Amino acid sequence: DGGITQSPKYLFRKEGQNVTLSCEQNLNHDAMYWYRQDPGQGLRLIYYSQIVNDFQKGDIAEGYSVSREKKESFPLTVTSAQKNPTAFYLCASSRSGGEKLFFGSGTQLSVL
Amino acid sequence: RKEVEQDPGPFNVPEGATVAFNCTYSNSASQSFFWYRQDCRKEPKLLMSVYSSGNEDGRFTAQLNRASQYISLLIRDSKLSDSATYLCVVRGDGGFKTIFGAGTRLFVKA
Repeated sequence: DGGITQSPKYLFRKEGQNVTLSCEQNLNHDAMYWYRQDPGQGLRLIYYSQIVNDFQKGDIAEGYSVSREKKESFPLTVTSAQKNPTAFYLCASSRSGGEKLFFGSGTQLSVL
Repeated sequence: RKEVEQDPGPFNVPEGATVAFNCTYSNSASQSFFWYRQDCRKEPKLLMSVYSSGNEDGRFTAQLNRASQYISLLIRDSKLSDSATYLCVVRGDGGFKTIFGAGTRLFVKA
């Protein structure tokens, strides 16, 4: 079955540590996205990528980095510069910019 | 003003009730509109796209009013399983800029 796989489901970060969240899709979608969701709030865009080897900052990119070396993969690194990383992180993809989004099951990141 | 605003909720309704959610958006250049459903700590799932002519999918009806810049979702004959958070989603500027509303929480009780 086609879909988006995020891992891990739960992740704990120590202070000063960088952590990487994985996102893989086999839907052959060109566009991929990373969102952050805080309790009681809507999703906020961190980064998006329209095509391999290209990505753009979203509304809250500070403290995060991404890469898009393969069409299927769009990992997100939460760096030590992100001072409030505790949140639910969602990866999504779409066939193109205006198409509906398909989401992965999310990663809950917490700080130890 | 937020780019996408939704009814604050929560909505508490009995089974069988009809409930309506509204959502307003600020960018008149917005191009695509959707309603997503999200269960607690799960990923959002597409409920339905919203078209200018209005569209219906079983018990769910979505409407778009471009002149007033709002969209709505009507749920008829509410089921316990409809309990969730409903997210209004607006896409524009070439499609990659997607704005999510904060969501409206619905509780359907027996």
